[in-house]
Amino acid sequence: NAGVTQTPKFRVLKTGQSMTLLCAQDMNHEYMYWYRQDPGMGLRLIHYSVGEGTTAKGEVPDGYNVSRLKKQNFLLGLESAAPSQTSVYFCASRRPDRGPNEKLFFGSGTQLSVL
Amino acid sequence: RKEVEQDPGPFNVPEGATVAFNCTYSNSASQSFFWYRQDCRKEPKLLMSVYSSGNEDGRFTAQLNRASQYISLLIRDSKLSDSATYLCVVPRSGAGSYQLTFGKGTKLSVIP
Repeated sequence: NAGVTQTPKFRVLKTGQSMTLLCAQDMNHEYMYWYRQDPGMGLRLIHYSVGEGTTAKGEVPDGYNVSRLKKQNFLLGLESAAPSQTSVYFCASRRPDRGPNEKLFFGSGTQLSVL
Repeated sequence: RKEVEQDPGPFNVPEGATVAFNCTYSNSASQSFFWYRQDCRKEPKLLMSVYSSGNEDGRFTAQLNRASQYISLLIRDSKLSDSATYLCVVPRSGAGSYQLTFGKGTKLSVIP
């Protein structure tokens, strides 16, 4: 049982390049999330999905696109990378429960640098 | 009041000390709350859930004060391995109920 797996773990891009981050979960979770974490800013939600084929914007969606074609996968795309997108990206998933079981399971993160 | 607010610290405490962190939240409709632990450059991991008035797990106690809208995390007999950043997490309600809001975290350093 791998949980939540993110690939790649590290990536360096040049300004203007594109890339896709892959998140895969094997827990049959309905909800999936992409966060970015910057020093002093905490975790900020980029996009999320509440089911296969559905996506929604979070707090900081500009410059990113997402897709959830399969329940277990949630892809985050950067079409034209900018230095401001240098960050650590975390994917997370959870069941749709409310209350004490409303907990997130995180991937190990992707360190992205845009030069 | 911000959605979720934490004292960023750092809290520097000696081994064996007791330390407490507070987290205030703005959404009075929130029912459950969470403390996550994050080690440097690692993913956050769930430490405790707080659903009713509080929860205790070994050296860790989380308490909820709904009237004043804050939750606290108490760590007794601090260990070096407790050094980490502690994140307060509050689920949204209503139209944003799929989302969870993270505080910016409180950094704890336990000193030998």
